[in-house]
Order: sequence, then C-alpha cells, then structure tokens
Amino acid sequence: EAGVAQSPRYKIIEKRQSVAFWCNPISGHATLYWYQQILGQGPKLLIQFQNNGVVDDSQLPKDRFSAERLKGVDSTLKIQPAKLEDSAVYLCASSLGGVGDTEAFFGQGTRLTVV
Amino acid sequence: GDSVTQMEGPVTLSEEAFLTINCTYTATGYPSLFWYVQYPGEGLQLLLKATKADDKGSNKGFEATYRKETTSFHLEKGSVQVSDSAVYFCALRVGYQLIWGAGTKLIIKP
Repeated sequence: EAGVAQSPRYKIIEKRQSVAFWCNPISGHATLYWYQQILGQGPKLLIQFQNNGVVDDSQLPKDRFSAERLKGVDSTLKIQPAKLEDSAVYLCASSLGGVGDTEAFFGQGTRLTVV
Repeated sequence: GDSVTQMEGPVTLSEEAFLTINCTYTATGYPSLFWYVQYPGEGLQLLLKATKADDKGSNKGFEATYRKETTSFHLEKGSVQVSDSAVYFCALRVGYQLIWGAGTKLIIKP
C-alpha cells in the first residue's frame, strides 16, 4: 500500500516569509498528525485531526501556524510569518483511528530552513 | 500524566555487541507500546509493537516485551550491526494520544 506522502522534501525561506506543507495520508486513515522535530529532539505534536475535526492542537503556535484537513483526507500546514526557530523537520503521520487504533505511519518529512 | 522515559544517549557499542535500550512508562488504562527507529536523514519507521501485557514484539532481530508489572518495554538485540546506527524512540498510545520518549541515539562502531 502507498505510504504517507509529503511535499516538498526541502524548503529554504527567509524569516517573515510564509510557507506551506502538504500531506496525503494512507488511504482510509482517519487520524492525521503533524509533528515538528527539531534536530536532536523527539517529535513534538503540533496538531492531530480525526477525519476533518481537530482532536488536539494544544501545542500549535496559533499566532503563526495553521493547519486544515479539508474533506478529511489531505492536509496542509502553514507558517506565516516564519521565524528562525521554526527551522525543523515537519513530519506528517496517519493512523487508522477509532477503537483499537495502534501505530502511526510517517512520511519522509519536510526539512524547513529559515534564514 | 502519561509519559515515557528512555535512557539517555548516545549509546556507543562495537559491532556484534548486545544491545539494551531502556524504556519505562507511566500510563492510565492499558496502553499499546511501540519502538520507532529513525535512520539518518529519514522519517520515523515503526520497528516493533506490543498491544497487551506480556506480548513480545520483534523485528529485524530486535525484541521488546511489554512488562506491566515493571511498566517497561526495553529494546534488545543480541548482536548489533553498523547499519543499526540510528535514533530509537519509545512511544505509547493511550486512547487517541500518542506519547513519545526523547529518543536514544545508537552508534555502532565496526
């Protein structure tokens, strides 16, 4: 089966610019996650969707980050305006969702460099 | 609250050595437990999992047993290879939440 697809793989922008990342989860997966992973650290959950509803966005810096999952499938994560400290890998993951949900499957990630 | 604690790294071993990476957890309810691996420059991959007490997950020579009495899920491998060099993350799922450890970097020297 096809895995989680993310694009772009790499992005370099200047601070105060905006950027968007795209994720296509595994077909049939109801739960979609966006994580931020700073070099040398574990993944930090930014937002979790169940279908097109938000389950958890408690760690999303809402003054500059936004995410949507229209129609409960694809998702986009946007940063506007970017700061230097946003340099990180942004990981998208998906899982089946619902009772008995177990592992999450990850995409390759988007490496963002803010200069 | 629910949490995962992993041994700090980096862990440096010689090829063919025995590996243990400790993971303990705190959780309400009955979590599922996971080990994920991240090779340099790549995304996270599920290495193995266990969904109930006494289950043993295994993959690629790695094993971990879900120990409810000690709230642990230690990762082991009998003989490591240079290609096992990566960062290993322990994680647990309780309900809709997926909770991560900080990761342990493993370095295997030839």
